[in-house]
Amino acid sequence: DVVLTQTPVSLLISLGGQASISCRSSQSLVHSNGNTYLHWYLQKPGQSPQLLIYQVSNRFSGIPDRFSGSGSGTDFTLKISRVEPEDLGVYYCLQRTHNPWTFGGGTKLELK
Amino acid sequence: EVQLVESGGGLVQPGASLKLSCVASGFTFSDYWMSWVRQTPGKTMEWIGDIKYDGSYTNYAPSLKNRFTISRDNAKSTLYLQMSNVRSEDTATYYCTSNRIAARVMDAWGQGASVTVSS
Repeated sequence: DVVLTQTPVSLLISLGGQASISCRSSQSLVHSNGNTYLHWYLQKPGQSPQLLIYQVSNRFSGIPDRFSGSGSGTDFTLKISRVEPEDLGVYYCLQRTHNPWTFGGGTKLELK
Repeated sequence: EVQLVESGGGLVQPGASLKLSCVASGFTFSDYWMSWVRQTPGKTMEWIGDIKYDGSYTNYAPSLKNRFTISRDNAKSTLYLQMSNVRSEDTATYYCTSNRIAARVMDAWGQGASVTVSS
């Protein structure tokens, strides 16, 4: 199975600051069709996960441009600029290139 | 507005069976693949399986395929997860998700159904 390693495990950020979360895969996430199925989710406290970014860099409907995704192959990054209180929670990456689909362990974003 | 509402969770004894349901609204259910994902009490996320829009194909996590079955009733806009011979390690919150952007993108998630396996 593909292992996704997220770093850091937790992140202390000041309001208005920038956060960067890494998701590294144990193998390339480029599918044979050329697409890369690496997605990012945020789970706010007490809520279910919500989609932020799909296929590396595409923002889902309604997601502000403060969120951006980048990367290729095995290394991927989610950046959150101008952090707001509503951004707090646990961020997960998910790969759906190689069956079985697998999640990263999560990164908790907290206020400094 | 897209809504996914799970039900059927609760306390169940080891070895028993349980069936979760997920009623979808706000989109044409029969057009899209659907999935189940669970989250353990320690917050680990685990994909359970997917089902094709017409129910003709399912895909499961290898560790669960012998005990879990996903089905759907498009006339009722309802997704199901049949769990059999449950174990303590199946204790988790179970989420149904839609895959509307593409078959490999879980976009909307339900609020979750809590399942506790204990004697």
